[in-house]
Amino acid sequence: QVQLQQWGAGLLKPSETLSLTCGVNGASLSGYQWNWIRQPPGKGLEWIGEINHGGDTNYNPSLKSRVTFTVDTSKNQFSLKLSSVTAADTAVYYCARLRPTVVIQYFDRWGQGTPVTVSS
Amino acid sequence: SSELTQDPAVSVALGQTVRITCQGDSLRRYYASWYQQKPGQAPILVIYGKNNRPSGIPDRFSGSSSGNTASLTITGAQADDEADYHCNSRDSSTNHVVFGGGTKLTVL
Repeated sequence: QVQLQQWGAGLLKPSETLSLTCGVNGASLSGYQWNWIRQPPGKGLEWIGEINHGGDTNYNPSLKSRVTFTVDTSKNQFSLKLSSVTAADTAVYYCARLRPTVVIQYFDRWGQGTPVTVSS
Repeated sequence: SSELTQDPAVSVALGQTVRITCQGDSLRRYYASWYQQKPGQAPILVIYGKNNRPSGIPDRFSGSSSGNTASLTITGAQADDEADYHCNSRDSSTNHVVFGGGTKLTVL
């Protein structure tokens, strides 16, 4: 059974860097896109970006200047860093596995979510 | 446009059929996928592609698509189906994943 387990700090001050990691159990990183998605309180899902096992990245343009994804194939995990956070970055952050096909792009596994609050 | 549009809220009487829609240009290239999310929980995949259900998803959930509109239909809605439903696809021009704003389903 494939499981995604995520961890990282949940309380940050403005201007700090958010750092989260997602460990993948039961599956190889190869053949999928590994994504970060966030959900502000009371709002919908916002795609942050994706990375593959080779380290190729694809970011949401609205966050691209502040986001960095990395992948560690030896540990079967991938990570998110979001710099210069503000209160607008307060959200639940999810990691998720995307299965890309010719006509479907779907998230079949999700992490448990990490609530992140930015407050002074 | 790369956005996906969903009605913010829909209601259905217990046991009746409800359709939740998702509109956007990206759906002309990629099928939508649908996720159910209950309060405090991560989303779970309920329909992907034309009409595919992951293992464990009841067969009262079905999907369809026409042009730039995808639909999730729940036939015989149950109280347990009360949740937020999100659709997603990919914008072929930018290669960015897109989500709809989500639809809150209330079962009366």
